[in-house]
Amino acid sequence: DAMVIQNPRYQVTQFGKPVTLSCSQTLNHNVMYWYQQKSSQAPKLLFHYYDKDFNNEADTPDNFQSRRPNTSFCFLDIRSPGLGDAAMYLCATSGSQGQGVIPVGYEQYFGPGTRLTVT
Amino acid sequence: AQSVTQLGSHVSVSEGALVLLRCNYSSSVPPYLFWYVQYPNQGLQLLLKYTSAATLVKGINGFEAEFKKSETSFHLTKPSAHMSDAAEYFCAVSANQAGTALIFGKGTTLSVSS
Repeated sequence: DAMVIQNPRYQVTQFGKPVTLSCSQTLNHNVMYWYQQKSSQAPKLLFHYYDKDFNNEADTPDNFQSRRPNTSFCFLDIRSPGLGDAAMYLCATSGSQGQGVIPVGYEQYFGPGTRLTVT
Repeated sequence: AQSVTQLGSHVSVSEGALVLLRCNYSSSVPPYLFWYVQYPNQGLQLLLKYTSAATLVKGINGFEAEFKKSETSFHLTKPSAHMSDAAEYFCAVSANQAGTALIFGKGTTLSVSS
């Protein structure tokens, strides 16, 4: 089945120690998104890629970076995790209208998430 | 700008009872509206979406939602709750305008008792 896969499902890192979360998709979608979801809160968009074009949300801290080496894979790098970065990180994908921006009305397909704990 | 308000952070129903989860939106342009469900430690799954084709939208697992422009609402309903419906439900809005992000409400936790 076509899907969005996130690894690992659970990640424990130490305060200040860089960590990378990965996402892969078999849907061949142009757009990939990273969301942060803290406990009992709505998902918050951090950034998205349209193909290789990176789009950062204005309030995403510089501590968060991303890479998309090819259509299938996308990585979230947290350079110096703080206690406040403990959260569920969700990767999502969507098809597009070929306009180079987030498409209108397209469903986003979510992965199962990676729960990050910072000790 | 778009926003979503979900009324009631927790809703409890008995198995077999009607489920009603409320969502009101604000949008300066015609919106697309979505309901997603999230089970514990899982990602979000689309239940249904409104894209202006029909005001009553039927989704998966017996859920449906009605778009009411006059009330700026998109409430989610299910005639008869099942234990497996217990989850977190998110309403989301995006403008009918390419380049705008999906905005989620804060979510409603549905509990179903036997």
